[in-house]
Amino acid sequence: ETGVTQTPRHLVMGMTNKKSLKCEQHLGHNAMYWYKQSAKKPLELMFVYNFKEQTENNSVPSRFSPECPNSSHLFLHLHTLQPEDSALYLCASSLQGASTDTQYFGPGTRLTVL
Amino acid sequence: DAKTTQPTSMDCAEGRAANLPCNHSTISGNEYVYWYRQIHSQGPQYIIHGLKNNETNEMASLIITEDRKSSTLILPHATLRDTAVYYCIVRVDAGGTSYGKLTFGQGTILTVHP
Repeated sequence: ETGVTQTPRHLVMGMTNKKSLKCEQHLGHNAMYWYKQSAKKPLELMFVYNFKEQTENNSVPSRFSPECPNSSHLFLHLHTLQPEDSALYLCASSLQGASTDTQYFGPGTRLTVL
Repeated sequence: DAKTTQPTSMDCAEGRAANLPCNHSTISGNEYVYWYRQIHSQGPQYIIHGLKNNETNEMASLIITEDRKSSTLILPHATLRDTAVYYCIVRVDAGGTSYGKLTFGQGTILTVHP
């Protein structure tokens, strides 16, 4: 247990569906991240939120829409996805402003787009 | 952030020490060496990090050469559960322009066998 939880753990959706991934951290951190890990590829950073403000959007298509209502919760809203969006989606959190901002990851959501 | 080079795969016998090397010859003075591991289909797990001194925690030891161009992660008594992909990442910590970013490469696949 890292103190970062993600739900659901597995999700299968059609290309016309709308779904949301949820991440929650119980570590008192102030920064949260979304990463994508496609099969046989390295993790790719998607979004960064610092104090609820989005500070990084790594050229992610608009069919992925993040939301950070407070420093403990992070969502990734999905709509009209493509099969190539099938991947492991990972959430992480860290304490920015501390002497070291080590990121701690959740278990991930395995997404399959049909 | 500086790039790293790691062997693609390594084997280790259970109960023996696993020594995972990493080259980071272009590392800058304010860049830390981080190690994470990822067990199949799970989120990356933080292991250890250091700047220039050797570091040890309950999971592993990190040995950084004096010129900081390479490092070795040591798992002192490897178990079957240590089988995972190990990532060596060099990044600027608090205050740097790449603050918060972790750039994952392909890592080293460590297989611990009985």
